[in-house]
Amino acid sequence: NAGVTQTPKFQVLKTGQSMTLQCAQDMNHEYMSWYRQDPGMGLRLIHYSVGAGITDQGEVPNGYNVSRSTTEDFPLRLLSAAPSQTSVYFCAIRWRTGGSYEQYFGPGTRLTVT
Amino acid sequence: TQLLEQSPQFLSIQEGENLTVYCNSSSVFSSLQWYRQEPGEGPVLLVTVVTGGEVKKLKRLTFQFGDARKDSSLHITAAQPGDTGLYLCAGKKNNDMRFGAGTRLTVKP
Repeated sequence: NAGVTQTPKFQVLKTGQSMTLQCAQDMNHEYMSWYRQDPGMGLRLIHYSVGAGITDQGEVPNGYNVSRSTTEDFPLRLLSAAPSQTSVYFCAIRWRTGGSYEQYFGPGTRLTVT
Repeated sequence: TQLLEQSPQFLSIQEGENLTVYCNSSSVFSSLQWYRQEPGEGPVLLVTVVTGGEVKKLKRLTFQFGDARKDSSLHITAAQPGDTGLYLCAGKKNNDMRFGAGTRLTVKP
């Protein structure tokens, strides 16, 4: 998964704790996004950004905050973790290629909230 | 309720068999993508289809986008154990992308 790095790879939190999942890219693409993946649900879009300083909500934004101060970084913040946020989180970058587009995912962060 | 329904949910076949998996929706998408995901890794893009009726081939994999751009299929010829994985479809509308729950394929040697 060269080009998109995510840290940490694994994390266990207690209910009510806060944390930030990090996502960084070295491919200089404008579009970045965060997804969560749960069994039987596929991937669901949490937040996305079309460039530095611009963010927007996806399908399941509640409980998560994002910011995009640079092109490279797109951190995802959990302000008060809940067991329902136990999931695998993927960061992705996307870019246009001719009349189509490519999307590239990071390796994921597996989060458990107890 | 998933916006994109994938079927079957699970599929287990012998090496050398052919198979088709489906991705259906009542919504129209500007484009549709197929991904393969292995355990512990992120999804990897296989193909993007953008035109209704479009057919794309990637070695033994054939992808088709429905004429109305609401559905798609993935056909694998002569499946191999290396094809084992979770196959996800994803439909795009503007900046929103919706994924199906996936088809988990196992190819036995």
